[in-house]
Amino acid sequence: GESVGLHLPTLSVQEGDNSIINCAYSNSASDYFIWYKQESGKGPQFIIDIRSNMDKRQGQRVTVLLNKTVKHLSLQIAATQPGDSAVYFCAENTHEKLTFGTGTRLTIIP
Amino acid sequence: GAVVSQHPSWVICKSGTSVKIECRSLDFQATTMFWYRQFPKQSLMLMATSNEGSKATYEQGVEKDKFLINHASLTLSTLTVTSAHPEDSSFYICSARVSSGSRYEQYFGPGTRLTVT
Repeated sequence: GESVGLHLPTLSVQEGDNSIINCAYSNSASDYFIWYKQESGKGPQFIIDIRSNMDKRQGQRVTVLLNKTVKHLSLQIAATQPGDSAVYFCAENTHEKLTFGTGTRLTIIP
Repeated sequence: GAVVSQHPSWVICKSGTSVKIECRSLDFQATTMFWYRQFPKQSLMLMATSNEGSKATYEQGVEKDKFLINHASLTLSTLTVTSAHPEDSSFYICSARVSSGSRYEQYFGPGTRLTVT
């Protein structure tokens, strides 16, 4: 999962399995959280978001869970595909500014 | 919809020169744009918030005289790296916030790779 530091955490998942990427956020005043996918040499791509008054939100093949008690966010990707290989960042919105986590590199094993 | 473009996508410049990077919202108006910097294998770090028609707000530790930001219209913000040095080499990414609606949405550009030699 993501944490403050200089190393990019990695997660390797067998193709077809589910992936779970975790993120610990820092500010209890954050009111909105977003997961982004970033492929090499490209800008972040929006995946899914969740407001602080929710604890779960589902999209197509993705689910975000929010636990405000422990300030934890997770992204679940169902039936992981080769195209899901990328770095995934969580971001928290506080006072209309985004703070990004350190990212997790997801690698798909064929 | 909600496409953000950046130009150039990559640039190589010599140490001591200045480089301008453009960020455009193509199909929406953005009263607020953001500039981020990303070093290899690291996260995005917010440099500054750019509001149309007013001065940019810089994050702590970002030199406003070195990174000049201009947001002259609702669809264009520019970042000028002045007197660039090799340590300024990085991936610069802009984003634009949709100015209407109750939902907070920020759309990112594809990034500009700056290499200072």
